Amino acid sequence: DAMVIQNPRYQVTQFGKPVTLSCSQTLNHNVMYWYQQKSSQAPKLLFHYYDKDFNNEADTPDNFQSRRPNTSFCFLDIRSPGLGDAAMYLCATSKHRDREDEQYFGPGTRLTVT
Amino acid sequence: QQQVKQSPQSLIVQKGGISIINCAYENTAFDYFPWYQQFPGKGPALLIAIRPDVSEKKEGRFTISFNKSAKQFSLHIMDSQPGDSATYFCAARRSGTASKLTFGTGTRLQVTL
Repeated sequence: DAMVIQNPRYQVTQFGKPVTLSCSQTLNHNVMYWYQQKSSQAPKLLFHYYDKDFNNEADTPDNFQSRRPNTSFCFLDIRSPGLGDAAMYLCATSKHRDREDEQYFGPGTRLTVT
Repeated sequence: QQQVKQSPQSLIVQKGGISIINCAYENTAFDYFPWYQQFPGKGPALLIAIRPDVSEKKEGRFTISFNKSAKQFSLHIMDSQPGDSATYFCAARRSGTASKLTFGTGTRLQVTL
């Protein structure tokens, strides 16, 4: 089945230690998104890629970076995680950007910062 | 202006009952309103969506009612089942914003036997 895969599902990192989360998709979608979802809160968009075009949300901290080496993969890098960065990180994809295309979400990576 | 307000925060409904979740928005430029369903440990999944040119959309037991003048929309789950127990998010998007979804704060629905 075509899908959005996130690895790892659970990640524990130390305060200030860089961490990378991975997302891959078999849907051949043009757009890949990263959301941060804190406990009992709505998902919050951090940034997205349209093909190789990177689009950062204005309020996304500089501590968060992303890479998309090819169509299938997208990475979220947190350069110096703080305790406030503990959250579920959701990757999503859509075929197009400016249409009502459904966003398909992965299962998420739960990040714990100790 | 970009917020979508959702209520209630949590909801308990008996099996067979009707679950109703409400959302309100301020930005009249929003033109697409999806609802997402999220089970524990899973990512959100699109449930049903509506555009503001219609007042109601029904898919099986799920119905969206849309009131453009009041800037409100709601999700009705008829004949609620224990398998519907999940967190539901309303969302809104406006054209030209690169598919950016603004989510509501979520409603945790529990359907009891």
